[in-house]
Amino acid sequence: GAVVSQHPSRVICKSGTSVKIECRSLDFQATTMFWYRQFPKQSLMLMATSNEGSKATYEQGVEKDKFLINHASLTLSTLTVTSAHPEDSSFYICSARPTDYNSPLHFGNGTRLTVT
Amino acid sequence: LAKTTQPISMDSYEGQEVNITCSHNNIATNDYITWYQQFPSQGPRFIIQGYKTKVTNEVASLFIPADRKSSTLSLPRVSLSDTAVYYCLVGDNSGNTPLVFGKGTRLSVIA
Repeated sequence: GAVVSQHPSRVICKSGTSVKIECRSLDFQATTMFWYRQFPKQSLMLMATSNEGSKATYEQGVEKDKFLINHASLTLSTLTVTSAHPEDSSFYICSARPTDYNSPLHFGNGTRLTVT
Repeated sequence: LAKTTQPISMDSYEGQEVNITCSHNNIATNDYITWYQQFPSQGPRFIIQGYKTKVTNEVASLFIPADRKSSTLSLPRVSLSDTAVYYCLVGDNSGNTPLVFGKGTRLSVIA
């Protein structure tokens, strides 16, 4: 089955530093990837839509200069949390849409970010 | 994007069949219905997807009435390991259309 790999699974960083999270589709190509964040006991909240070779589209209320998204190839999208603050601590999850549009969206296993 | 409504939580004993119903009154013609399972600190895992009538795979069945305004996920003979949050999502599978998550149903399976 389709596999989406997300790395790292867990990261702790200090306030003011930046953290990069990678999302890779391992056995399929994905022209579109989506980034979500999830707070404890809550549902997933869509942050942005990432298309290969173009700028990401951010949801209302998500700062594009703080959450930098790069989708450089059909198998890799990255999310960089810049100048992280404790309130950015959350569970970040990526998903990838196969180019075969009859296939469902596949999700990575998430990255737990803790900002101290 | 079609909004979905599910029960917040359900309890079941091991070995029972569990049916979780989702309402999606404003589903569009091109929309599929997809169910995901999520364990704590993990990404959602695909369970089943359907467009109409009934779909069955090795882990679940999905029942969709003719008007497609609701759907029911059926889990046969649940075990403790099925304790998780289950999300029903509605959307087309094309291009930039994301899947927007509702609150999901927290299923607790009791021994």
